[in-house]
Parts: sequence; structure tokens; C-alpha cells
Amino acid sequence: KQEVTQIPAALSVPEGENLVLNCSFTDSAIYNLQWFRQDPGKGLTSLLLIQSSQREQTSGRLNASLDKSSGRSTLYIAASQPGDSATYLCAVTGGIQGAQKLVFGQGTRLTINP
Amino acid sequence: DAEITQSPRHKITETGRQVTLACHQTWNHNNMFWYRQDLGHGLRLIHYSYGVQDTNKGEVSDGYSVSRSNTEDLPLTLESAASSQTSVYFCASSGQGAGANNEQFFGPGTRLTVL
Repeated sequence: KQEVTQIPAALSVPEGENLVLNCSFTDSAIYNLQWFRQDPGKGLTSLLLIQSSQREQTSGRLNASLDKSSGRSTLYIAASQPGDSATYLCAVTGGIQGAQKLVFGQGTRLTINP
Repeated sequence: DAEITQSPRHKITETGRQVTLACHQTWNHNNMFWYRQDLGHGLRLIHYSYGVQDTNKGEVSDGYSVSRSNTEDLPLTLESAASSQTSVYFCASSGQGAGANNEQFFGPGTRLTVL
């Protein structure tokens, strides 16, 4: 059974810092990996999706990497801003039989201090 | 713009009542999903559908049912609501087939309280 772990559970940094959020998964036979952002009381916003054949994806100040063989992904946020404060969730879809279904980590609650 | 909507956004009901949560998407996606989010458990899959007339059980399907009569809608029914089903419910959809990358898009959620 696929399990997804995100460390740390919470992170607080001053504005302007570059930071890395970590995600690990137990079964390397994934179809893709998706990073989401969730603001309090809101839905999930898709940030980046990495296909299993890809190594990284970039969107603005965000860069996500994927090392499928070691079961790891990182989300790099450059020049953090207070507006980046949110919970960040990592999720993977399983192998062929589990394609499409997302398995989520517990999330990292990020606070950017002005 | 294409979107995914859920209704109601908030619902309070009593134990034993039947409740239906609506999900409607205008992406023309084949795949639709229902998740619940709880403190300490994160997001868990309830039911999912890969197309019209197709439904499948997820990780926490007991006490829930879905039906898919068209591409746009996947209503979630709680047959007899229980306090353990107090949660925030999210609907999601994704495309499939040539050219689709299976990125999932989520609705705004429904907060359900069962008293």
C-alpha cells in the first residue's frame, strides 16, 4: 500500500528565504506526482504535476523535482513571500492499476514571517 | 472558464438522515473523485468514476454511494448519516487519454456536520 510522508509538518521562515519542502513515498511505481497548495478553509490548488518520466517542473518561483527510484520529491520555493503561507500537500498516483487515484501526504504547514 | 463546483458549501444534518452532496464540472473530464479531509488522516479517497455508468470504491467507501449518469456530475450520497462522517468533502476531476496528463482539479469543498 502506497504511503506518502511529508517532512516537516510545519515550517516557519522569514520573508525572502529560499526553502525546500520534502515528500517521500514508499512505492516507486507511480504514474505521476502532484503538489498542491491549500489555504485555511479553502480547496486545493494544483501547483505542479510531474509525470513519472520527468525529473522536474517549474512554475514561476516554484520548482518541483522527482527522484522516482529513491521515492522522493522536493518543492523548492524561491524568495518566499508572506502570501506563500499555506499548507502544501504532495500526492502521488499509483502504478497502472492505481492510475488516476491520488494518495496524499499529511502536508507541510508553511508560515512566512514578514 | 472551466470549473468544478460543489453544493451545498455547508450542511448540518442529523444522524440517520440521507444526505446528497453535489459535484459538477465543466472540464469535460472523464475521471471524477470524492475525497474527505479530516485532521490526523489527511485526504482519503471515498469513491471514483472513470466515465458514465462507471463507479468504484475507494479507501473509505463504507456508508457512501455515488452514481454517474452523465459526464458533468458525480453526486455523493450518505445513506444514513453518522457522526463519524462529519468532515470536509472535496470533489475532483481529471482528464485521460491522448494529450491528457491526469492533473486533478479540486472543487471548493463541502463542510458537513452530522449531529
